[in-house]
Amino acid sequence: AQKITQTQPGMFVQEKEAVTLDCTYDTSDQSYGLFWYKQPSSGEMIFLIYQGSYDEQNATEGRYSLNFQKARKSANLVISASQLGDSAMYFCAMREGASGGYNKLIFGAGTRLAVHP
Amino acid sequence: KAGVTQTPRYLIKTRGQQVTLSCSPISGHRSVSWYQQTPGQGLQFLFEYFSETQRNKGNFPGRFSGRQFSNSRSEMNVSTLELGDSALYLCASSLLGQHNSPLHFGNGTRLTVT
Repeated sequence: AQKITQTQPGMFVQEKEAVTLDCTYDTSDQSYGLFWYKQPSSGEMIFLIYQGSYDEQNATEGRYSLNFQKARKSANLVISASQLGDSAMYFCAMREGASGGYNKLIFGAGTRLAVHP
Repeated sequence: KAGVTQTPRYLIKTRGQQVTLSCSPISGHRSVSWYQQTPGQGLQFLFEYFSETQRNKGNFPGRFSGRQFSNSRSEMNVSTLELGDSALYLCASSLLGQHNSPLHFGNGTRLTVT
């Protein structure tokens, strides 16, 4: 069965520093997609970044980058130059189904990030 | 472009009642899926609809049901509410046919069952 593991229940970082949030996954599919979402205390889920299993380069979106190591089945999120507004829960998720046509995501337990001034 | 809209934002119900939650997807998105988020179980997939058809269903009892209308708007219904149904219910919409298309979530409906 597909599974996402986030081993860091909580992390804190000083403002303007970089932080890495860990995510490992387990799947027997060759084709899959990995997502990171941010959830502030308001509850909305905000899409941050996507990595496809066949993408040769690590994904980047502004201050967010994904350290994708396929052989180790890890997809760690790196946030550079942390800001106070980055304080939130962060979820790693995997799209189930080789074709991606089925929009079922498997989520990890999440990591709560606190950014200190 | 308007995002995913969920109504209502908050609901308080008593055990045994039923509830209906509504979701309007992003314009042009025809796939709508629902998730339940609780402190104990985390985020769990409920079901997905496309073109008014349920394509996939999570491991939830039959008390949880949903439907999708021709305009892609979706509703989910929970009957005979139990205390354990208290949760944040999130709706997400997405384009189909693009493997890298992310799910865009609404703000959620927070249901409290007393």
